Amino acid sequence: QKEVEQNSGPLSVPEGAIASLNCTYSDRGSQSFFWYRQYSGKSPELIMFIYSNGDKEDGRFTAQLNKASQYVSLLIRDSQPSDSATYLCAVEASGGSYIPTFGRGTSLIVHP
Amino acid sequence: DAMVIQNPRYQVTQFGKPVTLSCSQTLNHNVMYWYQQKSSQAPKLLFHYYDKDFNNEADTPDNFQSRRPNTSFCFLDIRSPGLGDAAMYLCATSSPGAPLHFGNGTRLTVT
Repeated sequence: QKEVEQNSGPLSVPEGAIASLNCTYSDRGSQSFFWYRQYSGKSPELIMFIYSNGDKEDGRFTAQLNKASQYVSLLIRDSQPSDSATYLCAVEASGGSYIPTFGRGTSLIVHP
Repeated sequence: DAMVIQNPRYQVTQFGKPVTLSCSQTLNHNVMYWYQQKSSQAPKLLFHYYDKDFNNEADTPDNFQSRRPNTSFCFLDIRSPGLGDAAMYLCATSSPGAPLHFGNGTRLTVT
């Protein structure tokens, strides 16, 4: 059973701070990793994807991947109240399967 | 704009009354997925299609079926909905290995 683990939170940070969201996965051969944001009652939307070890930056968002530690994280700089949502980590299965497994998500609350 | 469209946004059905949810895409993606998501839980994959090839997850109840008559459309049929089937149903599309594009979801209520 391939697993993707996230702390369900909530993670509460003040406006302007850095929010750090973490995800671990069990499938050592996974190659593709995704972060989705989901507002309450809405469907997930893609924030970032990362395929290689290291950091990938897009605006206020940075995804970090460490395949040796089977760990992927999402940093949100200058957090805004509009960033308050659930962040889902998804990991594509190895072995030629393209199907992602989702974590249960981390709830982020950014308070003014 | 290319997109994934789900209808209806909200569906209320009675216990045991069959219901069909629909999904269409203009992205021309090979893969279409149906997920079930309950409150505070991860999306749970029910089925996916790679072109016409249907893939059923091992733990998807027999009560759930799916059809993909062409590249653009996919349907989720719930033959005899129970109270435990109340959830958000998410349709998504992708090219293999690429990020998923989700529709707006259908919120199913079973009375």
